[in-house]
Amino acid sequence: LAKTTQPISMDSYEGQEVNITCSHNNIATNDYITWYQQFPSQGPRFIIQGYKTKVTNEVASLFIPADRKSSTLSLPRVSLSDTAVYYCLVGDKWDNYGQNFVFGPGTRLSVLP
Amino acid sequence: DSGVTQTPKHLITATGQRVTLRCSPRSGDLSVYWYQQSLDQGLQFLIQYYNGEERAKGNILERFSAQQFPDLHSELNLSSLELGDSALYFCASSSGGGQNTDTQYFGPGTRLTVL
Repeated sequence: LAKTTQPISMDSYEGQEVNITCSHNNIATNDYITWYQQFPSQGPRFIIQGYKTKVTNEVASLFIPADRKSSTLSLPRVSLSDTAVYYCLVGDKWDNYGQNFVFGPGTRLSVLP
Repeated sequence: DSGVTQTPKHLITATGQRVTLRCSPRSGDLSVYWYQQSLDQGLQFLIQYYNGEERAKGNILERFSAQQFPDLHSELNLSSLELGDSALYFCASSSGGGQNTDTQYFGPGTRLTVL
């Protein structure tokens, strides 16, 4: 099972870029890296997914180095509404379905005015 | 709005009782997942169904059971409830069978309070 490690919490100010790094040293060849966002009392929401190099969508960017042992979620110009918990998930082997759904403690991002 | 619906939104019951939580997946999604989130445990995967069949099992207690019906909605049954079962219960759905590239869409959750 690919275990992930993220900072427990981060603080930022409105308008700044925020980078949250996730370590996954034993990532497997077939694993993808997926990030979810969760607001209080709501279900997690998919943000972005990638396999290698860089992925960008309208919400965030995901940077994955060549060795894939870590990944960085980048949120450009955060606002107060980006205050949430961010989870990094790394899938296990293709057929170990149940082990794909391990949400760690996540990173609690607080955006200050 | 993710397209996943869950009922009821809130549920208050007593220890020893049994409750049923209901989930309707997004249109076209074949997989349904159940998660439990409590303050001290984080988000815990319980069980997954794919097209009516159990596909994966996580940290689900023997007092808990689930099923997915032919119309693809799912129910999570919690029995002999204990105070520690108080939590938010989320249902999620995806189009695939749970591969690591599947995006899961989460419902709004059911808040269960056991008194």
